[in-house]
Amino acid sequence: TQLLEQSPQFLSIQEGENLTVYCNSSSVFSSLQWYRQEPGEGPVLLVTVVTGGEVKKLKRLTFQFGDARKDSSLHITAAQPGDTGLYLCAGVKGGKLIFGQGTELSVKP
Amino acid sequence: KAGVTQTPRYLIKTRGQQVTLSCSPISGHRSVSWYQQTPGQGLQFLFEYFSETQRNKGNFPGRFSGRQFSNSRSEMNVSTLELGDSALYLCASSPEGGGPTGELFFGEGSRLTVL
Repeated sequence: TQLLEQSPQFLSIQEGENLTVYCNSSSVFSSLQWYRQEPGEGPVLLVTVVTGGEVKKLKRLTFQFGDARKDSSLHITAAQPGDTGLYLCAGVKGGKLIFGQGTELSVKP
Repeated sequence: KAGVTQTPRYLIKTRGQQVTLSCSPISGHRSVSWYQQTPGQGLQFLFEYFSETQRNKGNFPGRFSGRQFSNSRSEMNVSTLELGDSALYLCASSPEGGGPTGELFFGEGSRLTVL
């Protein structure tokens, strides 16, 4: 059982569509991070959310941290082919950064 | 500023052999973490080193070991390789002093194939 459950695992959409990726847990986290990983590269940090209920925007990406700090979501507006990649959420537990299994996003032109 | 450098990028080994992977962190970063990434399990934490000391360890067998040198460079070793050890091994460095709780800067990984 994964400490952080991401859904969906795979998502294939057309350019211009909107999408939401979810990261859920039964545990409380002091913060959650979102990373994006492109093929052949390591993950790159997109954002860190710290406060329950916090909303952060990064261009067309909107990140939200649940009020209870157990879940987070990533919403992409008007997806573009350049958004294609593996999206990973991660939270600190026991001094370690634990990752969800990731959401593989494919945006077709 | 140079990023995290991992060598080798690709390698093929056979069962029973051992392998050593190297990681040079970003200059000034003292914390180095190692992760194993597979399609089925995702990113699994292996261990974290800070100032040449292992500070955290994941749930991997003793065949997986690591060390960190005084210049913060790190190596991980896997002995008696098994087919299931085939994976992308990612190294990440962090400037934080309190463990891998801040932003991690990842290398491109070392892809290990065990035949």
